[in-house]
Amino acid sequence: GAVVSQHPSRVICKSGTSVKIECRSLDFQATTMFWYRQFPKQSLMLMATSNEGSKATYEQGVEKDKFLINHASLTLSTLTVTSAHPEDSSFYICSARGQGSPRMGNNEQFFGPGTRLTVL
Amino acid sequence: SQQGEEDPQALSIQEGENATMNCSYKTSINNLQWYRQNSGRGLVHLILIRSNEREKHSGRLRVTLDTSKKSSSLLITASRAADTASYFCATALQTGANSKLTFGKGITLSVRP
Repeated sequence: GAVVSQHPSRVICKSGTSVKIECRSLDFQATTMFWYRQFPKQSLMLMATSNEGSKATYEQGVEKDKFLINHASLTLSTLTVTSAHPEDSSFYICSARGQGSPRMGNNEQFFGPGTRLTVL
Repeated sequence: SQQGEEDPQALSIQEGENATMNCSYKTSINNLQWYRQNSGRGLVHLILIRSNEREKHSGRLRVTLDTSKKSSSLLITASRAADTASYFCATALQTGANSKLTFGKGITLSVRP
């Protein structure tokens, strides 16, 4: 139980285009979802936190108009990288925390497999 | 800002040996968690230790927490080649709906067969 999926796993796009990444909790209700980005051989940096039905809370230095987050249902959150540029190339990882599984009692976050974005 | 700092940054050992990784943090925490990440993949939760706990075991994993020193260690006993991965500690300052994790820089563990 507590599986999180991401789609797509890899995406290559041209500079200036927008890219949408989906994050789904498959067998539990994700009341909170987190979006991270990770540069090669570096740590995960939290970009934003979203609660279902509410606006996302962005970390300092993350442009909310650049990285649009929607958490419209208890099983789906999307991250849209608008007008992507090569410096946005990174590994984007979502995680979810919620209810509906015995493992939720620990306040544990469950991570998706990540999406590799390459902007040419 | 980075809360957790692991050391060493890279560790190479022979299969069968034990691997010890350390994590230090700066502020008071509610809990500390260790994760594993295989290259280019997502994170796998290994173990969570709460601030009022000193040691936890899970299979070949042993985690200690010293809140007075603001440090934790992850011990992997009888390592296997499949343990090769990056390991991250992550701290949670509080619990509940507002809780979020702050990750350290990670340790790259290589286990030679």
